[in-house]
Amino acid sequence: GESVGLHLPTLSVQEGDNSIINCAYSNSASDYFIWYKQESGKGPQFIIDIRSNMDKRQGQRVTVLLNKTVKHLSLQIAATQPGDSAVYFCAETNAGNMLTFGGGTRLMVKP
Amino acid sequence: EAGVAQSPRYKIIEKRQSVAFWCNPISGHATLYWYQQILGQGPKLLIQFQNNGVVDDSQLPKDRFSAERLKGVDSTLKIQPAKLEDSAVYLCASSRQGFEAFFGQGTRLTVV
Repeated sequence: GESVGLHLPTLSVQEGDNSIINCAYSNSASDYFIWYKQESGKGPQFIIDIRSNMDKRQGQRVTVLLNKTVKHLSLQIAATQPGDSAVYFCAETNAGNMLTFGGGTRLMVKP
Repeated sequence: EAGVAQSPRYKIIEKRQSVAFWCNPISGHATLYWYQQILGQGPKLLIQFQNNGVVDDSQLPKDRFSAERLKGVDSTLKIQPAKLEDSAVYLCASSRQGFEAFFGQGTRLTVV
């Protein structure tokens, strides 16, 4: 299928290494943040979320960190696998309104 | 739980023609979004519905785009007339208020 992330920033990692994907958000009033994964030909898929009253949240192999002071969000993927190769987007919303996406980062995992 | 359904999956039209996309959200989700995703970019919000009311349509090109959500369930997005720059994937998503949005597979539109 046609690639989603032809012109996006690319992060290339070795299989088994940890990955860190960063995102700067724009609205200081945003109170809910979501990381999505998008594979070619598919819609974005929910990975993990975090609310503004937290600064860290962990899932299975993924961790999201939120720094409200500098409006920065990061996604950490532990022991990156080839199946993690995709484009990753952060998204922000204020009270559930106007879910706004960032520009995205393409993750490439080398076997 | 069934996901967000969209149709058609692909559509090719000539410029100045009209086209419509359909979305069936996840049952019980009051919030419905339409996004436009141009190749190599993140999804851009076109319109957000809460039940059958419009919450935000500030980025919807209203001279050619229209959307409705009758009875607060299914939704249609229409483009009339289409331009070359409308070529993109149109994504529909739904959510419970204040929770993560779930996306359909999208409709890939090519305007020639």
